[in-house]
Amino acid sequence: DQQVKQNSPSLSVQEGRISILNCDYTNSMFDYFLWYKKYPAEGPTFLISISSIKDKNEDGRFTVFLNKSAKHLSLHIVPSQPGDSAVYFCAATPNSGNTPLVFGKGTRLSVIA
Amino acid sequence: KAGVTQTPRYLIKTRGQQVTLSCSPISGHRSVSWYQQTPGQGLQFLFEYFSETQRNKGNFPGRFSGRQFSNSRSEMNVSTLELGDSALYLCASSLMNGDSPLHFGNGTRLTVT
Repeated sequence: DQQVKQNSPSLSVQEGRISILNCDYTNSMFDYFLWYKKYPAEGPTFLISISSIKDKNEDGRFTVFLNKSAKHLSLHIVPSQPGDSAVYFCAATPNSGNTPLVFGKGTRLSVIA
Repeated sequence: KAGVTQTPRYLIKTRGQQVTLSCSPISGHRSVSWYQQTPGQGLQFLFEYFSETQRNKGNFPGRFSGRQFSNSRSEMNVSTLELGDSALYLCASSLMNGDSPLHFGNGTRLTVT
């Protein structure tokens, strides 16, 4: 039973355009959501998070949107840069982050120059 | 501040052997978690330790075990290795104060032949 789903295994975007990565979840107890970026041969790096009391959180070029009624979140990267090419993992947890993260299987983003 | 350090980076073992992986968390972080990443499966939670006590355990067989020392360093052990144990094993540490994100090491790539 996959509680966090990233239905797009890969995404290609032109440099300078917007990248939108999507994530769906099934567990209504999740109240804290995170995005991680992973380069080959490195561990995942924390990007941005959002609590369920918010519907949007911004950090520079990265914005995460949360739609609780649809159990859906998305990560927007604007403008996309070649260095953003990586695998992006969506993760969720109940209890405000004090319990194990449940990860999606990841989306590979390729930003084409 | 040094990041999460995992040793060794690469390991090759044969079926039936056992293996021990090591993790040194970020200084001041008392929570250490372990995750397994296999192709197409995302990151799956193994276990979490806090102050030398296992707080949570994922859905893995008893061949997978871990421990945490008083200096917060952690080890995980896999006994009677199987081919399916070939994976990237990731260690992460956190402050465990609400919304503090996990910080991952670069992982140990285990290959079982």
